[in-house]
Amino acid sequence: GQSLEQPSEVTAVEGAIVQINCTYQTSGFYGLSWYQQHDGGAPTFLSYNALDGLEETGRFSSFLSRSDSYGYLLLQELQMKDSASYFCAVREGGSSNTGKLIFGQGTTLQVKP
Amino acid sequence: DGGITQSPKYLFRKEGQNVTLSCEQNLNHDAMYWYRQDPGQGLRLIYYSQIVNDFQKGDIAEGYSVSREKKESFPLTVTSAQKNPTAFYLCASKGRSYEQYFGPGTRLTVT
Repeated sequence: GQSLEQPSEVTAVEGAIVQINCTYQTSGFYGLSWYQQHDGGAPTFLSYNALDGLEETGRFSSFLSRSDSYGYLLLQELQMKDSASYFCAVREGGSSNTGKLIFGQGTTLQVKP
Repeated sequence: DGGITQSPKYLFRKEGQNVTLSCEQNLNHDAMYWYRQDPGQGLRLIYYSQIVNDFQKGDIAEGYSVSREKKESFPLTVTSAQKNPTAFYLCASKGRSYEQYFGPGTRLTVT
């Protein structure tokens, strides 16, 4: 089967650094994406890793290790507005590039003052 | 401004009725997707379409139907055969990049 595992909840204080891990088991793999979703809102794209290593975009970074089927999202200098749910998603591989994503259950991040 | 619109934001229906959710995009994207999200859960793929007049079932297609007659539009019908239709429904589109762009969603409640 195909599955993605990520922690259900993480709590941190403003200004801190937090890491949200994601392990995956899928039949094919093109890359790992991260999406942010505020309560009741639309998911928004944060990052995409197709190759091993770290991708940095401002306060957010994302890491991928294909050999370990593992990735993480790193959020630095946390702000109250970062309180949201974060989803990892695997871009499914295969003979046709459908762009299909398989989503994890999501990690709810609560940032406290 | 380019984007995806979904309407209505909230929808209430009686059990046994079919209901159609609207999804329109002006991003000129070929691919469009429908997801279902239940409270505290991730997104599950219902249907997707890579091109006009073509669509494929996702992981939870039973009780749903779609059409793709125009590039801009990908409506989803929740039929009376769907056993637990109450959920948050999200439509997305994708161009040549890796990113999927999501609409604001429709919250459907069936009683």
